[in-house]
Amino acid sequence: SAVISQKPSRDICQRGTSLTIQCQVDSQVTMMFWYRQQPGQSLTLIATANQGSEATYESGFVIDKFPISRPNLTFSTLTVSNMSPEDSSIYLCSSGLAGPYNEQFFGPGTRLTVL
Amino acid sequence: DQQVKQNSPSLSVQEGRISILNCDYTNSMFDYFLWYKKYPAEGPTFLISISSIKDKNEDGRFTVFLNKSAKHLSLHIVPSQPGDSAVYFCAAIQLQGAQKLVFGQGTRLTINP
Repeated sequence: SAVISQKPSRDICQRGTSLTIQCQVDSQVTMMFWYRQQPGQSLTLIATANQGSEATYESGFVIDKFPISRPNLTFSTLTVSNMSPEDSSIYLCSSGLAGPYNEQFFGPGTRLTVL
Repeated sequence: DQQVKQNSPSLSVQEGRISILNCDYTNSMFDYFLWYKKYPAEGPTFLISISSIKDKNEDGRFTVFLNKSAKHLSLHIVPSQPGDSAVYFCAAIQLQGAQKLVFGQGTRLTINP
């Protein structure tokens, strides 16, 4: 299994500012994923982050708003830029197919509140 | 286009009884189906999965059944325990290509003593 940590665990931010969320995996993984869970909703994939290449964004998400870095096989960051209250969500990172049952492992999430 | 659907937002079951959580999907190309459990303020944790070539997988109190013709799967928990109270997400994945998990909306399970 993979153990994933995220920083910060929560934050309250002002409208118009940016927040960078860090994700650390305890083993090397090829793919990492960033998800958003809005209140009462399911997990929505924001982007796939592969080491050494540009992140691949899902429909409705753009690089200018959610820039992602993937400098090595154990670390990634997601920045939520120019925040508005609609960005208030839980942001989760996960590893790609790290387990024996083709499961992904998730970090504990970052709870973001934008005022 | 909701490829994975959980039509019951909540379910309440008495302790000791069977909990059955349902999930429907539309994409016949999914290779694996997974169930995740999520407690508040934590990330989802993997519970059990099933390959698309199987129709049943069992792990302790948890059994997942897959009906490919109906594009339907279910998670059975028996006996249900208070610690099973959580939100359960059904997810599916195609192993070719981007290997993205597609999640259902989740079902909040409450086990009553």
